[in-house]
Amino acid sequence: IAGITQAPTSQILAAGRRMTLRCTQDMRHNAMYWYRQDLGLGLRLIHYSNTAGTTGKGEVPDGYSVSRANTDDFPLTLASAVPSQTSVYFCASSPGLAGNTGELFFGEGSRLTVL
Amino acid sequence: QKEVEQDPGPLSVPEGAIVSLNCTYSNSAFQYFMWYRQYSRKGPELLMYTYSSGNKEDGRFTAQVDKSSKYISLFIRDSQPSDSATYLCAMIPYNNNDMRFGAGTRLTVKP
Repeated sequence: IAGITQAPTSQILAAGRRMTLRCTQDMRHNAMYWYRQDLGLGLRLIHYSNTAGTTGKGEVPDGYSVSRANTDDFPLTLASAVPSQTSVYFCASSPGLAGNTGELFFGEGSRLTVL
Repeated sequence: QKEVEQDPGPLSVPEGAIVSLNCTYSNSAFQYFMWYRQYSRKGPELLMYTYSSGNKEDGRFTAQVDKSSKYISLFIRDSQPSDSATYLCAMIPYNNNDMRFGAGTRLTVKP
């Protein structure tokens, strides 16, 4: 059972470059999320999607964009990377609204370093 | 002030000890409270979920919520080296998708 697959696992990127982090789920969950995890700050929501075709902004959306063309895929794009976007990025999914079950299913994370 | 405050530790205990992990929060809209466990270089996984004040027990783990004090706790009895991980508290309002996490407490259980 794959669950959530993220790619790449790790990436070093020059500032100003465009980068897309990929996320695919095979659980047919309606909702998907992108979080970033930074030491001392925990996980912070970047963007979410309640269902295919819809997206919403989380706590820290600036500098990021997402799309949800279908149920399974939820890519995160950094249009012009900056060093402050160095972080570990986690994609997650839930069957319905996260508040209804409390359970988010997370991928293994993508470590991004922007130099 | 952060919405969710959690002591980052690190916390080191001997095998068999009782561990107490805690979080405080400021947003009274939070209705659901979770504890996630995260092993090194892995994604978090749900450990406990509760939606009311009081205690919820699952094996060696007990989650406690005190909404009047805006305080939640996770107790681990008879701790094992396999419990060594980072524990994240999380909370969310009803009918909402914006789950808020604490910074996480890193726990090491020594054999």
